[in-house]
Amino acid sequence: QKEVEQNSGPLSVPEGAIASLNCTYSDRVSQSFFWYRQYSGKSPELIMSIYSNGDKEDGRFTAQLNKASQYVSLLIRDSQPSDSATYLCAVNIQGAQKLVFGQGTRLTINP
Amino acid sequence: DTEVTQTPKHLVMGMTNKKSLKCEQHMGHRAMYWYKQKAKKPPELMFVYSYEKLSINESVPSRFSPECPNSSLLNLHLHALQPEDSALYLCASSQDPGQTQPQHFGDGTRLSIL
Repeated sequence: QKEVEQNSGPLSVPEGAIASLNCTYSDRVSQSFFWYRQYSGKSPELIMSIYSNGDKEDGRFTAQLNKASQYVSLLIRDSQPSDSATYLCAVNIQGAQKLVFGQGTRLTINP
Repeated sequence: DTEVTQTPKHLVMGMTNKKSLKCEQHMGHRAMYWYKQKAKKPPELMFVYSYEKLSINESVPSRFSPECPNSSLLNLHLHALQPEDSALYLCASSQDPGQTQPQHFGDGTRLSIL
């Protein structure tokens, strides 16, 4: 089992709808979870950090964390074509001084 | 604009050349990272510097040589690279090496090996 798993997509969502991106992880003691957005040819950009169970909202983005089930998700409300990108889930590995990235989910928002 | 600055943005070099990639951050972060990223793949960790000391080397070939001259600077020295080393090289920094805070990436250096 991979340490961090994401559906690679592509995930197509109509403009204005909610895009839902999911990520599961294997390390039960992971404490820090991050979502990055990466446009084609660009570097990853941090969009959300979450550390506690529950929801964390920032504008149109909501991160959800469930440590018991070992998953973290990202919801994008009112999706815009500019949200089309690859979304990377990253999870800390306890004591390893590094993040583990999922393979990324390619999201396309259709006008 | 990112707070982690990488130079150059693009680099084309032959297999016998020696070149260096540079990374700078002024956020007071104490951990810095080098990643390699190929198309349609996630970033692949190469090196971690924690408090200016090399703490992780992910079995990277010796033709890549990292250096951390001070807490704000990170270099990656390149020598005798292979065509398969062509990739986007990303530098990142974080407040601490324990991954309790996120990593912030620079814009990257697009490297092409002829």
